[in-house]
Amino acid sequence: DTAVSQTPKYLVTQMGNDKSIKCEQNLGHDTMYWYKQDSKKFLKIMFSYNNKELIINETVPNRFSPKSPDKAHLNLHINSLELGDSAVYFCASSLAGGGRFHEQFFGPGTRLTVL
Amino acid sequence: ELKVEQNPLFLSMQEGKNYTIYCNYSTTSDRLYWYRQDPGKSLESLFVLLSNGAVKQEGRLMASLDTKARLSTLHITAAVHDLSATYFCAVDPGNDMRFGAGTRLTVKP
Repeated sequence: DTAVSQTPKYLVTQMGNDKSIKCEQNLGHDTMYWYKQDSKKFLKIMFSYNNKELIINETVPNRFSPKSPDKAHLNLHINSLELGDSAVYFCASSLAGGGRFHEQFFGPGTRLTVL
Repeated sequence: ELKVEQNPLFLSMQEGKNYTIYCNYSTTSDRLYWYRQDPGKSLESLFVLLSNGAVKQEGRLMASLDTKARLSTLHITAAVHDLSATYFCAVDPGNDMRFGAGTRLTVKP
């Protein structure tokens, strides 16, 4: 029944490591997103992606890269993790169209802690 | 740069009272969304406002959009404890999605 799922729910790792967070949606949506929520609860979009277009927030370091094996999955790969990467990462999905974002459905979040 | 400002950022109110949360944004947009987030949880979509003058209501919450004033409001009527959460507005002017900082609402008995 889960609409948007993420794994893992918690991720604790050392600085410098490379890690991935997986996201899957079963809503039939064709656009998926990654958001970062910092300790002050501020939400920032990192990427939006459908099978035609990847839109990258220009403030996102290139250590972060989305990888989509198919339109139901959008994984987030992070290289050379830094302390400042500690946050909760949310995946979301929506219908696409007309260059607009539309109502989004969020996953449960992955709490990343970099030591 | 698109800016989305919510106020207040923190709101403590008593059960049974009414209050309004404001969401101002800096660029033209005819789409605005309201989301709710419970502590440690994900975001849940509350309202999608797609045109000037749009008004939507669900239970004790009512949202409206004035695109000319670049303002949306989320009105809480006769608050109950279950409404305690953080409320986010988000604006989509096209090829971007920007969230406000969130309003942390606490409803006390």
